[in-house]
Amino acid sequence: ELKVEQNPLFLSMQEGKNYTIYCNYSTTSDRLYWYRQDPGKSLESLFVLLSNGAVKQEGRLMASLDTKARLSTLHITAAVHDLSATYFCAVDGGGSQGNLIFGKGTKLSVKP
Amino acid sequence: NAGVTQTPKFRILKIGQSMTLQCAQDMNHNYMYWYRQDPGMGLKLIYYSVGAGITDKGEVPNGYNVSRSTTEDFPLRLELAAPSQTSVYFCASSYGLDYRDRGVGEQYFGPGTRLTVT
Repeated sequence: ELKVEQNPLFLSMQEGKNYTIYCNYSTTSDRLYWYRQDPGKSLESLFVLLSNGAVKQEGRLMASLDTKARLSTLHITAAVHDLSATYFCAVDGGGSQGNLIFGKGTKLSVKP
Repeated sequence: NAGVTQTPKFRILKIGQSMTLQCAQDMNHNYMYWYRQDPGMGLKLIYYSVGAGITDKGEVPNGYNVSRSTTEDFPLRLELAAPSQTSVYFCASSYGLDYRDRGVGEQYFGPGTRLTVT
């Protein structure tokens, strides 16, 4: 059974600081997705990582994928308050149905 | 494009009542999904569909039913509501199989339906 673990689950950081969220998964997969969810809102797609070594960047966020280590990271550079949200990683569940297996999410709070 | 739409946004049900959560997408996606999100947890797959007339169970299907008569619509039916079904329900869609004959995976989510069963 594919399991996806994120850490930390809660992260409080100051504006201007850097930090990394980790996403580990238990079986082979070469597709990983990062989503953002604001309180009471839906999920917004941030990054789609489709191969080993993939790296994508958008603004202050950068995501990478190491399929051999079964690890993805979401790096936050010089955090700002607007980045406060819950971040989910999700892994392709395999098979032809294309379903995603989600981690529990990392609730990020950026304080001035 | 409206993307993925869901109705209602909020609903309170009494134990034993039934209801249908509506989901529609206008992106001509073949694949559609229903997830539930419990507090502090990620999303869990309830049912999915790979095309009109084809549905299958996900991780947590008990107490739910689905149908897919058109490409656009994928309603979720709750029969005999129970407090354990209190949750936020998200519908999602994606393009479907890629050149390797696997799900493309990037999914587009609706705004969610917050359901309380008391």
